[in-house]
Amino acid sequence: QLQLQESGPGLVKPSETLSLTCTVSGGSISSSSYYWGWIRQPPGKGLEWIGCIYYSGSTYYNPSLKSRVTISVDTSKNQFSLKLSSVTAADTAVFYCARLKPSSAYWGQGTLVTVSS
Amino acid sequence: EIVMTQSPATLSVSPGERATLSCRASQSVSSNLAWYQQKPGQAPRLLIYVASTRATGIPARFSGSGSGTEFTLTISSLQSEDFAVYYCQQYNNWPSLTFGGGTKVEIK
Repeated sequence: QLQLQESGPGLVKPSETLSLTCTVSGGSISSSSYYWGWIRQPPGKGLEWIGCIYYSGSTYYNPSLKSRVTISVDTSKNQFSLKLSSVTAADTAVFYCARLKPSSAYWGQGTLVTVSS
Repeated sequence: EIVMTQSPATLSVSPGERATLSCRASQSVSSNLAWYQQKPGQAPRLLIYVASTRATGIPARFSGSGSGTEFTLTISSLQSEDFAVYYCQQYNNWPSLTFGGGTKVEIK
C-alpha cells in the first residue's frame, strides 16, 4: 500500500530555510504516471499548492512562491524534498506531500512547521 | 493566474438534506476541475475529477457538474460523515494547481 511520510524540523527560525523530505513507500517515485507535490495549509486556513516535481527532475512552482522554493527528487532513496527560504511567521503551516495525477491524489498525513524565534 | 472562488463560505444543512456548493474560476478551466473533502486533522481526500467523475470509492451521493467557469458539487442526502470542508481545485495547466478557499458544511 502506498504511503507518503513527511519529515523535517517542526520549528524554523525567521529568515532561515525550511527543509522537508517526503519518503515514499509501497510504490516507485520513478513512475511515469505521477507528479510529486507539496501543498501547505496555514492553521485554520485553506490549501495552497507550493509546487511539484516529475521523477525526471522537471519542476513546477506556484508563481507566488517561486523565488523562495526548490523541490528536488532522489530516486535512489524514493524521496523528494522541499526547501523554502527566507521564511517568516506567515509560512507557518501544515505541509503535505502528495502523489498527483488528475484522476487520483494520495496525500501524506502532513507535518506542522512553525516559524518562530 | 487562475483564481478559484467558492461560495458560500459556510453552509448549514440538516442530516438527510441536499447540499449544493459552488465554485467559480476567474477564467475558463474547461472541465479540469476537482473537488476535495477535508475533515479536521486529516489530509484532503479526492472526491471528483474532470468536474463530474467520482474518484475510486466515493459514494454516489456525491456528484459534480459544470464546465468553463462555473462548477457545482452536490451532496444529495447528507450523512453525518459528510460534515467537513470542501475545496475545489483547478488543473487546467497541469501540473500547476489552484485551490479555492473552501466551503465548510456544518450541521444545522
